[in-house]
Amino acid sequence: GNSVTQMEGPVTLSEEAFLTINCTYTATGYPSLFWYVQYPGEGLQLLLKATKADDKGSNKGFEATYRKETTSFHLEKGSVQVSDSAVYFCALSDPYNQGGKLIFGQGTELSVKP
Amino acid sequence: DSGVTQTPKHLITATGQRVTLRCSPRSGDLSVYWYQQSLDQGLQFLIQYYNGEERAKGNILERFSAQQFPDLHSELNLSSLELGDSALYFCASNRGIGGTNYGYTFGSGTRLTVV
Repeated sequence: GNSVTQMEGPVTLSEEAFLTINCTYTATGYPSLFWYVQYPGEGLQLLLKATKADDKGSNKGFEATYRKETTSFHLEKGSVQVSDSAVYFCALSDPYNQGGKLIFGQGTELSVKP
Repeated sequence: DSGVTQTPKHLITATGQRVTLRCSPRSGDLSVYWYQQSLDQGLQFLIQYYNGEERAKGNILERFSAQQFPDLHSELNLSSLELGDSALYFCASNRGIGGTNYGYTFGSGTRLTVV
């Protein structure tokens, strides 16, 4: 079945450092890919998405490119801030399988120090 | 405020008891999804409803059940509770059946503690 694998955390960075969180997926169809962010004590918020191969999603300085050849959707940000500290979830949704429900990776905790 | 409302925010109950978690989807959204988030299992999909009908089932235990009412709010019923049921329960909603073009909007969750 479909699945998502993320790099394990926690990831600890200094402010203004470059961020990469790796995400790879397994899917039988043509999924859409998402990054969600969860701040402490809150629900998940959609950060960005890409619906087809080679699409780049971007938001708030974060970017991720849908790479079908490597089945990856790595999250990047050029310069992180303390306020980016949160848990980041990669997810996929395949509308032609499993009702389009979101399947999540295990989450990667990011801690940014001043 | 995401527009998805979950109540209660916190719930503490004893083993063997039954609880009901409530979710009101964002205005205009027809689909409701329930997820369980625990430290060891991560985010697990439980069940999906679309316009009152069950559409997909995930790793939902037989002790758990859900329904979506005509006004589109949904309730998740957890019975014969065990310590291992302690988790955050999230509800999410979107406009259609698939999430591709609409995304999902999550509520802030209900934290269930079983003692």
